[in-house]
Amino acid sequence: EAGVAQSPRYKIIEKRQSVAFWCNPISGHATLYWYQQILGQGPKLLIQFQNNGVVDDSQLPKDRFSAERLKGVDSTLKIQPAKLEDSAVYLCASSPAGRVHIQYFGAGTRLSVL
Amino acid sequence: AQTVTQSQPEMSVQEAETVTLSCTYDTSESNYYLFWYKQPPSRQMILVIRQEAYKQQNATENRFSVNFQKAAKSFSLKISDSQLGDTAMYFCAFMNRDDKIIFGKGTRLHILP
Repeated sequence: EAGVAQSPRYKIIEKRQSVAFWCNPISGHATLYWYQQILGQGPKLLIQFQNNGVVDDSQLPKDRFSAERLKGVDSTLKIQPAKLEDSAVYLCASSPAGRVHIQYFGAGTRLSVL
Repeated sequence: AQTVTQSQPEMSVQEAETVTLSCTYDTSESNYYLFWYKQPPSRQMILVIRQEAYKQQNATENRFSVNFQKAAKSFSLKISDSQLGDTAMYFCAFMNRDDKIIFGKGTRLHILP
C-alpha cells in the first residue's frame, strides 16, 4: 500500500512570497491532517479534514494560511504572504474512517523563508 | 490546558543497551490514547507504540514497551537491545477526546556503535 505522498520535499522562498504544498493521502483514508513542526518542537495541528469538510482549523492562521481538500482526496496548503516564522516542516497525515487514533504521516515539506 | 512534557532533550546509549525515555502529560480526561512516535532524519513520523488509557496492561511491540502509570500521568518508553537504526527523535503524544494529538517537544536519541 502506498504511503502518504507530499511534495515538494524542500522549498526556499523570500518573505512575503507565496508557497503551496501538496498532499496525497493513503487511498481510501477519510481524514487528512496538516501539521506544522517548527525546529526543536513537536508537530502542531493546523487543520483537519473529514472527506472534503473541515473538522478543526482552530490553529490555522487564517490571515495567511489556507487549505483545501477538493473531492475529498488530495489536499493543498497555501501560505500567502509568508513570514520568517513560517519556516518549518509541514507534515501531512491521514487516517482511515472511524480510526483517527491511527495516523500515517508523510515525509513532510521543509520550508525555509529568507 | 493539556500538555505533554519530555524532560530529556537528548540521550545517548551504546548499541545493545536498554534505554528509557520519559514522558508526563496533563489532562482531566479519563479516557484517551497515548503514543510514542519515532522521527528519523527522513522526517517521516512513524508510530512506535500506542496505549489506550482504559487498558491497565502496558503495551509492547517487540523491543519496545511502555510503563504507563495513569495516576501519575506518566508514560515512559523502554527500548531493549537498542540498535543503530533506533537513532531518531522520539515524540510522546496524547490524543484528547476531540481526537486532536498533542505532541511533546521530543527526545533526540543517539545509539552509539
